[in-house]
Amino acid sequence: AQKITQTQPGMFVQEKEAVTLDCTYDTSDQSYGLFWYKQPSSGEMIFLIYQGSYDEQNATEGRYSLNFQKARKSANLVISASQLGDSAMYFCAMREGLMYTGNQFYFGTGTSLTVIP
Amino acid sequence: DADVTQTPRNRITKTGKRIMLECSQTKGHDRMYWYRQDPGLGLQLIYYSFDVKDINKGEISDGYSVSRQAQAKFSLSLESAIPNQTALYFCATSDPWDEGGSNEQFFGPGTRLTVL
Repeated sequence: AQKITQTQPGMFVQEKEAVTLDCTYDTSDQSYGLFWYKQPSSGEMIFLIYQGSYDEQNATEGRYSLNFQKARKSANLVISASQLGDSAMYFCAMREGLMYTGNQFYFGTGTSLTVIP
Repeated sequence: DADVTQTPRNRITKTGKRIMLECSQTKGHDRMYWYRQDPGLGLQLIYYSFDVKDINKGEISDGYSVSRQAQAKFSLSLESAIPNQTALYFCATSDPWDEGGSNEQFFGPGTRLTVL
């Protein structure tokens, strides 16, 4: 079974609107971490946001927030007030295990976001 | 200067050739990783290393080998390259003791490898 599932290969959003990128994960570990990365067309991987499995509040970083629903095993990324520079591939990832011992990172297949002017 | 560097950035080679991709980091992290990215498949872990004496296979290690020459250097080798190893290769580092507590991965710029 896939550890990370991103079901939206491509998404479009109007500039200044909010958009949600979906991510579901599969693990039997109690301790894990969830990440979102952005990959622009230039290819580099840019860390956006992190959520630990024991964190009770949803993580936020500027215009990015992570909608963490533990029971549903989902970790959706919400981008508010979309900008043209947000057009990129977005990857959801999971680290199984504690941050000190967890060694495997799993990535989803990505969602291509296009922001329309 | 970039914290995680990869050389070369682009490489075209022929089937059967031996290829080495190099990664260097100035972040002082003990943990280093090699991933490959294929279109539509996201990133897959090839090998990872928690320190100079610790090397571990990832999901797709067949056809690859690695060397951790120092804390700052982690090399990936393709002993006999084949066309389906054409991909974008990323090196990454992490620090499980970082302030944010995430053990996030810091990626290099990637090496685009084409095997003809």
